[in-house]
Amino acid sequence: DTGVSQDPRHKITKRGQNVTFRCDPISEHNRLYWYRQTLGQGPEFLTYFQNEAQLEKSRLLSDRFSAERPKGSFSTLEIQRTEQGDSAMYLCASSFAGRAYEQYFGPGTRLTVT
Amino acid sequence: GDSVTQMEGPVTLSEEAFLTINCTYTATGYPSLFWYVQYPGEGLQLLLKATKADDKGSNKGFEATYRKETTSFHLEKGSVQVSDSAVYFCALNRDDKIIFGKGTRLHILP
Repeated sequence: DTGVSQDPRHKITKRGQNVTFRCDPISEHNRLYWYRQTLGQGPEFLTYFQNEAQLEKSRLLSDRFSAERPKGSFSTLEIQRTEQGDSAMYLCASSFAGRAYEQYFGPGTRLTVT
Repeated sequence: GDSVTQMEGPVTLSEEAFLTINCTYTATGYPSLFWYVQYPGEGLQLLLKATKADDKGSNKGFEATYRKETTSFHLEKGSVQVSDSAVYFCALNRDDKIIFGKGTRLHILP
């Protein structure tokens, strides 16, 4: 399967703990995006990379969130000192830079903060 | 800012019924418009798109026409199947980001 993959699929953590998620995009794609989806809502943009450069971050991305894409391939999203409000589905997507409207999504990582 | 509004669900129909899911948008200029679908347990998939006014996107029997006069992009299908049960998201593209509506859950009864 050459689609976008995310790991883990589910994560349960206690409030205050740190968590890290991984996304592996489609290998030819140079753009990688992170979105967050809460129950009953559509996905909301968090941040995106072109190759290894982080080009934009949403106001939704507080200081406790950090994302990296060190070699322009996979990406990690870390949440420090998790809060119950961080419980959500975290989605990763990838695309070609010239076709950013055609984003391919991974299955998501569901985070539950207890 | 830009936004997308779509009809609230859930929408429940019998198999072979006609489907319409309404979607309107607010945006400056003329963004590209999309419908994404999320089947149970799966990731979001692009269902169809339209990149300019009066374009009609189509896929798997679904259609939507980009109407700039009414700022709408309604999703239609002439005869739904049980396998169409999913959550449908209307969306637009702005500055390389996708802005989604809240989604409409569709249940098709056999």
